[in-house]
Amino acid sequence: GAVVSQHPSRVICKSGTSVKIECRSLDFQATTMFWYRQFPKKSLMLMATSNEGSKATYEQGVEKDKFLINHASLTLSTLTVTSAHPEDSSFYICSPKPGQGSYNEQFFGPGTRLTVL
Amino acid sequence: AQKITQTQPGMFVQEKEAVTLDCTYDTSDQSYGLFWYKQPSSGEMIFLIYQGSYDEQNATEGRYSLNFQKARKSANLVISASQLGDSAMYFCAMREGSRGAQKLVFGQGTRLTINP
Repeated sequence: GAVVSQHPSRVICKSGTSVKIECRSLDFQATTMFWYRQFPKKSLMLMATSNEGSKATYEQGVEKDKFLINHASLTLSTLTVTSAHPEDSSFYICSPKPGQGSYNEQFFGPGTRLTVL
Repeated sequence: AQKITQTQPGMFVQEKEAVTLDCTYDTSDQSYGLFWYKQPSSGEMIFLIYQGSYDEQNATEGRYSLNFQKARKSANLVISASQLGDSAMYFCAMREGSRGAQKLVFGQGTRLTINP
């Protein structure tokens, strides 16, 4: 399967700070990037979809000014949680998608576990 | 409305037995895809199997097979000869349409526990 990396894998921060999560597709070019969030014992919920070079499209209820997404290149996307609060503590997972074909595939990064104190 | 429904929050199975994890879906699209993922305690999402809406044969991948019943809109995952390492969360997901972003929508998940 495709190789997707996320950094950091785990982060603990104080309330009010900003946290940047990087997602890299190491062996293919991702024209589309999906960012998901998973609360404990819950399913994955899509936060936003971004296309390389374009503004992200956010799902209903997700604050675009709080969760900043940058997809400036075909191999790197970043999610910045601004002014994080304890309720933002969650597991964040990226899912890059190639532009051509691969309709029957969708790979995910290993995830970033964010804990806000 | 829930697009993907997994009605079994938890399943307990004896090692070496077969297990079926249920998944039903709701879509008005003719073209769609169904996925199953395994999520161990580490959190990584491991792709298991895919079924396209136009595929006439049920998908199989090693010990995994997908029981696709289109008219009933169900896509159950069957794991044969279960192993202790199969203990994990399992998610069913659907991708709709053949154009656009084609995001995946996930079900609630089923926690599978394999007992020795």
